[in-house]
Amino acid sequence: NAGVTQTPKFQVLKTGQSMTLQCAQDMNHNSMYWYRQDPGMGLRLIYYSASEGTTDKGEVPNGYNVSRLNKREFSLRLESAAPSQTSVYFCASSAGWYQETQYFGPGTRLLVL
Amino acid sequence: QKEVEQNSGPLSVPEGAIASLNCTYSDRGSQSFFWYRQYSGKSPELIMFIYSNGDKEDGRFTAQLNKASQYVSLLIRDSQPSDSATYLCAVSGAGGTSYGKLTFGQGTILTVHP
Repeated sequence: NAGVTQTPKFQVLKTGQSMTLQCAQDMNHNSMYWYRQDPGMGLRLIYYSASEGTTDKGEVPNGYNVSRLNKREFSLRLESAAPSQTSVYFCASSAGWYQETQYFGPGTRLLVL
Repeated sequence: QKEVEQNSGPLSVPEGAIASLNCTYSDRGSQSFFWYRQYSGKSPELIMFIYSNGDKEDGRFTAQLNKASQYVSLLIRDSQPSDSATYLCAVSGAGGTSYGKLTFGQGTILTVHP
């Protein structure tokens, strides 16, 4: 099992460009999450999908959109990238929504110039 | 006040010593608590979770939970240089808009020196 995979691993964007970060899990998990991690800020939840067919905003959703494509895949889209979105993005999944351990992908490092 | 706060660090301990990592949380109704380890440039990986008051041991790691004091800690016995990493405390929200969501502390950097 690959667990949680993310593509790309690293991306450089210019301000105003758009891109989609891809995430897939092969653990048959119901819930999936997108976080961003900035120095000294810990992990902050951007969006989550408690189950296939549902998505909800997390703590820092502005500037992002998500799509739960199917049970395996959960993508994060930046429509018009800004320098403030320079960060490391982690996708995670868990079997269920409550009191379940979350498993993280390797991360995507995004630099917006 | 931050929802989840960890001792600021960085924490430096000699090899073989006990490392103590602390975390306080503000949501009194929180029921589940997690400790993740994150090596530099890598993703967080779960070390332990704890749901009940008291101690939970797994090898060299012991998690301690005191819900009355809203405090959770991680002890690492016989610390090794390979334990050098950032340790993240995460707390699951109890209700309202926080229900089920994990809130992470800012992390504590641990360095174990030979």
